[in-house]
Amino acid sequence: DAKTTQPPSMDCAEGRAANLPCNHSTISGNEYVYWYRQIHSQGPQYIIHGLKNNETNEMASLIITEDRKSSTLILPHATLRDTAVYYCIVRVSPRADGLTFGKGTHLIIQP
Amino acid sequence: GAVVSQHPSRVICKSGTSVKIECRSLDFQATTMFWYRQFPKKSLMLMATSNEGSKATYEQGVEKDKFLINHASLTLSTLTVTSAHPEDSSFYICSARDAARGADTQYFGPGTRLTVL
Repeated sequence: DAKTTQPPSMDCAEGRAANLPCNHSTISGNEYVYWYRQIHSQGPQYIIHGLKNNETNEMASLIITEDRKSSTLILPHATLRDTAVYYCIVRVSPRADGLTFGKGTHLIIQP
Repeated sequence: GAVVSQHPSRVICKSGTSVKIECRSLDFQATTMFWYRQFPKKSLMLMATSNEGSKATYEQGVEKDKFLINHASLTLSTLTVTSAHPEDSSFYICSARDAARGADTQYFGPGTRLTVL
């Protein structure tokens, strides 16, 4: 799996868009970008994934650069409940093995 | 959809006893389930992969005789921590892969906090 780099922590004001970056400069052509988040003392939650096109769902948007070397997860209107650790994971898909979690970004939404 | 449950949510046991944790996929069939462990302020670490009807595959450094995994049906996997010791105290989380939804999105249970006294 391609290595990912994320800032260890970020702050965002409630109601504003939270933009979480992820660098994956060694990504290969058949690797997807997945985002999960973990709210304190809960199991991780799937957010979104994409290959090369931008994706949007009810939770977030995923913007992948044209060269695919980086991506940004956007939470359009952050709420206090979005405070969590966000993990960017790059891997070939589909595959049957478990996920490898890095350290992620601790996003803190400020009231 | 894609709900995974775990039971119990927290358990306290004495050193030397065994503890069983259940993981269920409630609205889909999961041929593959995964068990992770998370120590305080650390990321999740994959312990083992559980395939329905076959033996689990354990990650390097995880003792298969200590962490017994059974995946007897398409909706249930169990993790038994045998002869638990205080260093086994951790947050145990399962996930299930819903292959029918495409790609390999995994859905996680809420976790079980194990405290061994």
